[in-house]
Amino acid sequence: DADVTQTPRNRITKTGKRIMLECSQTKGHDRMYWYRQDPGLGLRLIYYSFDVKDINKGEISDGYSVSRQAQAKFSLSLESAIPNQTALYFCATSDNGGPNNEQFFGPGTRLTVL
Amino acid sequence: RKEVEQDPGPFNVPEGATVAFNCTYSNSASQSFFWYRQDCRKEPKLLMSVYSSGNEDGRFTAQLNRASQYISLLIRDSKLSDSATYLCVVNRLDSSYKLIFGSGTRLLVRP
Repeated sequence: DADVTQTPRNRITKTGKRIMLECSQTKGHDRMYWYRQDPGLGLRLIYYSFDVKDINKGEISDGYSVSRQAQAKFSLSLESAIPNQTALYFCATSDNGGPNNEQFFGPGTRLTVL
Repeated sequence: RKEVEQDPGPFNVPEGATVAFNCTYSNSASQSFFWYRQDCRKEPKLLMSVYSSGNEDGRFTAQLNRASQYISLLIRDSKLSDSATYLCVVNRLDSSYKLIFGSGTRLLVRP
């Protein structure tokens, strides 16, 4: 079984709809992250959490919100989806071990906003 | 200007070739450096960390030049399975160890 899972894997929605992307991990890591990936722009950090109830804005948090109710789960919400939020979304986790921490990524959610 | 810059490629090379990718970073506070590999439509995975003294893992060699703020990845004896996008990644002491990703260099290895 995968250590980091994301649901759904693919989603097509319409402008203005509320969308929630879920991430679960069995690695026992405290740190979790949400990224989006767009062609030519690489991965950009949306939000991150270093512990349950800890929430921090990343580089591009506008239009997004997150919830970390348990160590193993970190959800990303788009309150009112817009077409430029069409992207590939990745969840990732890492341990607390300092600057050489490896991040482990989920398989991604491909979101299309029409 | 992006904090981490990479040539997007694609680099199209025959099997057995040696290929090198370069990456520059702009923030001198960058502390740790990595290469991640991402296959098409898949998640990124750590390929190797990059140390100041340079390090090698099989056919892969990574180098770091802090003075020039430059990182490289050398792949020898390319295999078809090396075809992927290679992401240059740094983190900064002042960023709580969050990672900053380059946009990637695409490698295509042909038979």
